Amino acid sequence: AQSVTQPDIHITVSEGASLELRCNYSYGATPYLFWYVQSPGQGLQLLLKYFSGDTLVQGIKGFEAEFKRSQSSFNLRKPSVHWSDAAEYFCAVSPPRGGGGADGLTFGKGTHLIIQP
Amino acid sequence: EPEVTQTPSHQVTQMGQEVILRCVPISNHLYFYWYRQILGQKVEFLVSFYNNEISEKSEIFDDQFSVERPDGSNFTLKIRSTKLEDSAMYFCASYRDRAYEQYFGPGTRLTVT
Repeated sequence: AQSVTQPDIHITVSEGASLELRCNYSYGATPYLFWYVQSPGQGLQLLLKYFSGDTLVQGIKGFEAEFKRSQSSFNLRKPSVHWSDAAEYFCAVSPPRGGGGADGLTFGKGTHLIIQP
Repeated sequence: EPEVTQTPSHQVTQMGQEVILRCVPISNHLYFYWYRQILGQKVEFLVSFYNNEISEKSEIFDDQFSVERPDGSNFTLKIRSTKLEDSAMYFCASYRDRAYEQYFGPGTRLTVT
């Protein structure tokens, strides 16, 4: 069964500092990979996705993520965080098109990002 | 930009009552999903729906749950007899096809008392 691990439950970063949120997945083949952000009381907004091709993907709000097949990782990065980036971040996977299996997203437990002034 | 909408935003119900959560997916999307998020926990897949039938469901989606697309635009989740542990945020999502990302609605917070 596929699974997603986000090893950091909470991360605190100073405003203006760089950020990296970790995500590892377990899946037989390379799945589709996603990062979503959830602000308090809000729904889920897609930051970026990886299906295939260039392993460094750019997303919205200045975020990027790098897929590393050898490490089964898809870490999210931002060079300089802003106070408005404080939120819950979820990594998720789904089977690739035609890959079969359940097609719902499997989410990690999330990382709560706190921004210090 | 088109978006997924959900109503109501918050529903309070008593244990044992039936609830229906409503979603309007993006109009040209073909795949529809329900997820739930118990407070402080991760988002969990409940069910996917395509071509007017369930395509996949998780072990959470037992006989108390059902989904329907009654009129070609709404997509509903029914819980027949709610339990305290059904209290959660329920998210609807839709896809155009599996090459594209799922768009999530803002969620319905269900509180069972």
